[in-house]
Amino acid sequence: DAGVTQSPTHLIKTRGQQVTLRCSPKSGHDTVSWYQQALGQGPQFIFQYYEEEERQRGNFPDRFSGHQYPNYSSELNVNALLLGDSALYLCASSLWDRGPYEQYFGPGTRLTVT
Amino acid sequence: GDSVTQMEGPVTLSEEAFLTINCTYTATGYPSLFWYVQYPGEGLQLLLKATKADDKGSNKGFEATYRKETTSFHLEKGSVQVSDSAVYFCALNDGSGYMEYGNKLVFGAGTILRVKS
Repeated sequence: DAGVTQSPTHLIKTRGQQVTLRCSPKSGHDTVSWYQQALGQGPQFIFQYYEEEERQRGNFPDRFSGHQYPNYSSELNVNALLLGDSALYLCASSLWDRGPYEQYFGPGTRLTVT
Repeated sequence: GDSVTQMEGPVTLSEEAFLTINCTYTATGYPSLFWYVQYPGEGLQLLLKATKADDKGSNKGFEATYRKETTSFHLEKGSVQVSDSAVYFCALNDGSGYMEYGNKLVFGAGTILRVKS
């Protein structure tokens, strides 16, 4: 049973560029959430997708956008990258009908902005 | 808004010592509570959970009890091992209105645990 997978593992970008991160949820899961984890801090919620719609959003600017596909996989896009966007980006999947319970995390994508 | 406060680390213990990592929370509803663990270079793994007051979550020798009266969810283990060295995150999920609005995890800042042999 495949868990949550993310790609790429590492990424280096320059300020002002755009980046796309990808996530495949755990088999059977239909909900994907994205989190940003800065060095030495806890993860911060970016947004959550279910049925290809953004259901809830954290306190992140519009430069952060996302998408969910019919197969439940998801993308996180960040435009006009800033140095402060350097972080580990975590994807988590869950089952919507199971309620507000545990989310299963992928290994993350380490983004470095120079 | 909802928030989670964890004891600051790092916590350094000798093997077989008793572990306590304190966690308190603030939430408007009746949240579910979680402990996640992050090993070096990896993502987060769910360690244990409790979904209502007085529930005790347990896994791999770790335990935590949901205390509504003190808004706490302290993590304990009777005898730590070197392999327990990791960062531990306390988190909550409010969940009220989730069927319409979705739900999110709110994390504490994490506590580094170092176990020496």
